[in-house]
Formats: sequence, C-alpha cells, structure tokens
Amino acid sequence: EDKVVQSPLSLVVHEGDTVTLNCSYEVTNFRSLLWYKQEKKAPTFLFMLTSSGIEKKSGRLSSILDKKELFSILNITATQTGDSAIYLCAVERHAGGTSYGKLTFGQGTILTVHP
Amino acid sequence: ETGVTQSPTHLIKTRGQQVTLRCSSQSGHNTVSWYQQALGQGPQFIFQYYREEENGRGNFPPRFSGLQFPNYSSELNVNALELDDSALYLCASIQRPGNTEAFFGQGTRLTVV
Repeated sequence: EDKVVQSPLSLVVHEGDTVTLNCSYEVTNFRSLLWYKQEKKAPTFLFMLTSSGIEKKSGRLSSILDKKELFSILNITATQTGDSAIYLCAVERHAGGTSYGKLTFGQGTILTVHP
Repeated sequence: ETGVTQSPTHLIKTRGQQVTLRCSSQSGHNTVSWYQQALGQGPQFIFQYYREEENGRGNFPPRFSGLQFPNYSSELNVNALELDDSALYLCASIQRPGNTEAFFGQGTRLTVV
C-alpha cells in the first residue's frame, strides 16, 4: 500500500516569512511526485518531480526530491496572503498494469499567511 | 483554470438514494480519474477510466461505479448513499501515454443527510 505523509499538518506565518513543507513517501516502483495547491476546490498543479527532474523552481516556489531518503520539500519564500491554501503532495507509480495515473495523496498542509 | 468541468457543483441527497456526478475531461485527455476528498483529508483514489473501461480501482465498494463515453467524458455513480459518502468528489484528466500532470475539475460537493 502506497503511503504519503505530510508535515506539518498546519502552519501559520506572517507575510514575508519563508516556509518549508515536508512530504515523505513509500511507493512501489516510483514514477513521480507532484505538488498541488488547493484554495477552494480544484487542486492546481505546482510541480512534478521525477528521477530526471529532482529540483524545480517557479518564482517564489521551489521543490526538491530526495529519492534516496524518500522525501520532498516545498519551499515558499516571501510568503503572501494569496499563498494561504492547502498544499497537497501526491505520488504516482510507473505506467503499466492498473497504476498509471493513480495518485496517492497525503493529508495536506494547511498554510495560513497573515498580513 | 483547467479545462476539466464537473457538474453539479453542489448536491444534497438523502441516505439510501442514488447519485450521478459528471465530468468533462480537458481537451485531448483520454483518461479520467475520480477522487473522494473528505473534510480535512487528502483526495482518495476511487477509480480510473481509459478507453471506456475501468482501469484501476481504489479501496471503494462496488456501489461506487462509473462510465466513460467515447468523447472521454465520465460519470461517477454512487448507489445506496451513506452519510459517510458526504465529501468533495474530484475528477482529474490526463493524456496517456505521456508524462503529463493530472488536471483537476472544481469538484462536486455532495452532502448526504
């Protein structure tokens, strides 16, 4: 059974702070790890990390993947109130059989950024 | 916004009733997955449809069933609704084969009373 554990479960910071969100995983035949941001309903894609792409950056957000230690972190620098959301981490197995595209999610980290 | 659309956005049903939720995948995406997200939890995989057939199923009972149509849109049916079925139901589409991320719809908030 694949497993994803995120920490912390919730985090409250002030604008301008830097935050680090953690995701550890156990998955058979790892294919990718994905980060999503969920503000109201639809999770929106942030990053996909694979064996060939273990570090990603977009503006103030960045993420790394440690395949040896089986974890990923999502960093947000200079946080803004618009960063307040649930951040979800998910893993996917390699294609083949019935596992293609099936995502196993963690519980999520609720980030609240105060002005 | 993604091109994945779900309907309805909200729904209230009585225990024991049946419900059908609908999803139109993003243009060009041939695979649809359904997820259930209970309050305070991450989404849980229900099942996936590819080429109009179920192609992978999570730990959900048979009263959760689905369909995929030739235009790749999909339905999720839940029979004999239980109070614990109250959740946000998310649909995601991807293109197979490929290495693309899943795009999610806005979800359907189902409340069972």
